[in-house]
Amino acid sequence: EAGVAQSPRYKIIEKRQSVAFWCNPISGHATLYWYQQILGQGPKLLIQFQNNGVVDDSQLPKDRFSAERLKGVDSTLKIQPAKLEDSAVYLCASSLDPIAKNIQYFGAGTRLSVL
Amino acid sequence: AQSVSQHNHHVILSEAASLELGCNYSYGGTVNLFWYVQYPGQHLQLLLKYFSGDPLVKGIKGFEAEFIKSKFSFNLRKPSVQWSDTAEYFCAVNPRNTPLVFGKGTRLSVIA
Repeated sequence: EAGVAQSPRYKIIEKRQSVAFWCNPISGHATLYWYQQILGQGPKLLIQFQNNGVVDDSQLPKDRFSAERLKGVDSTLKIQPAKLEDSAVYLCASSLDPIAKNIQYFGAGTRLSVL
Repeated sequence: AQSVSQHNHHVILSEAASLELGCNYSYGGTVNLFWYVQYPGQHLQLLLKYFSGDPLVKGIKGFEAEFIKSKFSFNLRKPSVQWSDTAEYFCAVNPRNTPLVFGKGTRLSVIA
């Protein structure tokens, strides 16, 4: 079974620029998550989708971050404009059932450096 | 707010030594508990999980964890570590129907 696919693997931008990340979850997984992992910390949930609807975006900085999952499959996360503190690894995860068992499968992540 | 505490930032062990990594959480209700591992250059993967039942759970590669409800703990153990266990280990907790919360992680270095 193919895992969670993310691209790009690395991205370097200057502050105030825009950037987008893409994620394709495991086939059949209805729930998709975006996490931010700052160096030295654990992943922090940014947004959770159930199919194409948002379940939780309470920790998403909505003034600059946006995410969509239009067809309920793949998803994009955008930052516009980027700040230095956005430097982190952005992880995408998916799960089959978000309620009962919530076993999440993670992609390799996109490492973002904002200069 | 719910939090997850991992007591050790970096642990260094010799091969064949025993391992115990601490994890405590602050939520008082029913929770699901997880340990994830990230090997160098690889993605996060599930090591083991606890949902209910026997509080001693066994995972892959000889790892086990014990849920002690009275102590709000879910410590990870392995009797004898190998060099290939070098990785970062994350404890994660979610109460039912709420997002997963991760600890800051413990980096394990196993030396020959």
